[in-house]
Amino acid sequence: TQLLEQSPQFLSIQEGENLTVYCNSSSVFSSLQWYRQEPGEGPVLLVTVVTGGEVKKLKRLTFQFGDARKDSSLHITAAQPGDTGLYLCAGLHTGRRALTFGSGTRLQVQP
Amino acid sequence: DAGITQSPRHKVTETGTPVTLRCHQTENHRYMYWYRQDPGHGLRLIHYSYGVKDTDKGEVSDGYSVSRSKTEDFLLTLESATSSQTSVYFCAIRSGANTEAFFGQGTRLTVV
Repeated sequence: TQLLEQSPQFLSIQEGENLTVYCNSSSVFSSLQWYRQEPGEGPVLLVTVVTGGEVKKLKRLTFQFGDARKDSSLHITAAQPGDTGLYLCAGLHTGRRALTFGSGTRLQVQP
Repeated sequence: DAGITQSPRHKVTETGTPVTLRCHQTENHRYMYWYRQDPGHGLRLIHYSYGVKDTDKGEVSDGYSVSRSKTEDFLLTLESATSSQTSVYFCAIRSGANTEAFFGQGTRLTVV
């Protein structure tokens, strides 16, 4: 089993604070994705990164893929209550056909 | 929204009974997946399919079987349900490498 470790598992912050979620593995990924899941729904894709060192921005969310393509981070600036949810990273190893998911980070943003 | 539906959405069954969950897609995507989601474990892959009648095991396949006789349908069967299989099951579809996975809304299965 090729593990994807996410940290932290839980995060409760106040509106307006910044936060970073980490996704780490000992193996190399051909691509890595971040998903957000709300209660009672399936995960929805936020971003895909494929190049080592790549940085992508989606409004207040910044995603970074490590140079060695073994890790990634998600940074949220000025968090809002609407950012509350479960954030999942998912990696695709070269030659594999299925995504491997991390255990998730449950974020709660208090107004 | 991607055309992917799961049925049933909720099911309660007794230990030892067989259960079949259905995933139906209208996108003609090649890859279909079954994951289970449990607290603290994220999504764990049960089985997946890369074409009609082409399937492979995931990391938690024991006690589960799958079938894909048509592009649009992927069935997950619990041959003899156990309490450890109480979970939320998600079906996902993908068209190819590095592409987005679209998920169904999940099936909440309780084995009593």
